[in-house]
Amino acid sequence: AQSVTQLDSHVSVSEGTPVLLRCNYSSSYSPSLFWYVQHPNKGLQLLLKYTSAATLVKGINGFEAEFKKSETSFHLTKPSAHMSDEAEYFCVVLNAGGTSYGKLTFGQGTILTVHP
Amino acid sequence: DSGVTQTPKHLITATGQRVTLRCSPRSGDLSVYWYQQSLDQGLQFLIQYYNGEERAKGNILERFSAQQFPDLHSELNLSSLELGDSALYFCASSVGQRDYNEQFFGPGTRLTVL
Repeated sequence: AQSVTQLDSHVSVSEGTPVLLRCNYSSSYSPSLFWYVQHPNKGLQLLLKYTSAATLVKGINGFEAEFKKSETSFHLTKPSAHMSDEAEYFCVVLNAGGTSYGKLTFGQGTILTVHP
Repeated sequence: DSGVTQTPKHLITATGQRVTLRCSPRSGDLSVYWYQQSLDQGLQFLIQYYNGEERAKGNILERFSAQQFPDLHSELNLSSLELGDSALYFCASSVGQRDYNEQFFGPGTRLTVL
């Protein structure tokens, strides 16, 4: 079975400081991993995805994530936060086998707050 | 704008009633996915259709059903509604039948059951 754990439900940073949103996953198969962002009253938008190519993945808006198999982690980072980054972020694993093949499993979400 | 449209944006109804949520995928996308987002359960996959056929099922209740029509739009039917069904329901679409590619999400339908 697949599962995703986002280690922080809320993260608060100051504008211009680095962002780190933590995600650990569990998967019986080689996973595909995604980060989605949801701005208030909006649908979800894909930030980036890992599909077994390069372990360091660059996404939109300056975000990147590193796949670390030994740590079963896929943390999302950004060097410098902007006010427009305020949103909820979801770490997602693609079920790559078993009875749930092809389905996405979402983490519980991390709300990012950026202070001026 | 993802190109996925959902109607209505908001829906308020009473317990025991039945509602239909509609989704139009992006032009060219053959897969439609339905998700439920609630405070206590988070985001959960409900069901997927690909080119008119059911492809995958998640945590969808028996009171809920969905279909995808020949023009590829999809409807999610929720019946015998309960207070706990209040949630944001998202539709997403993708080109293929697997999730390797990006899913594009609609803005959601907020359902309130009173």
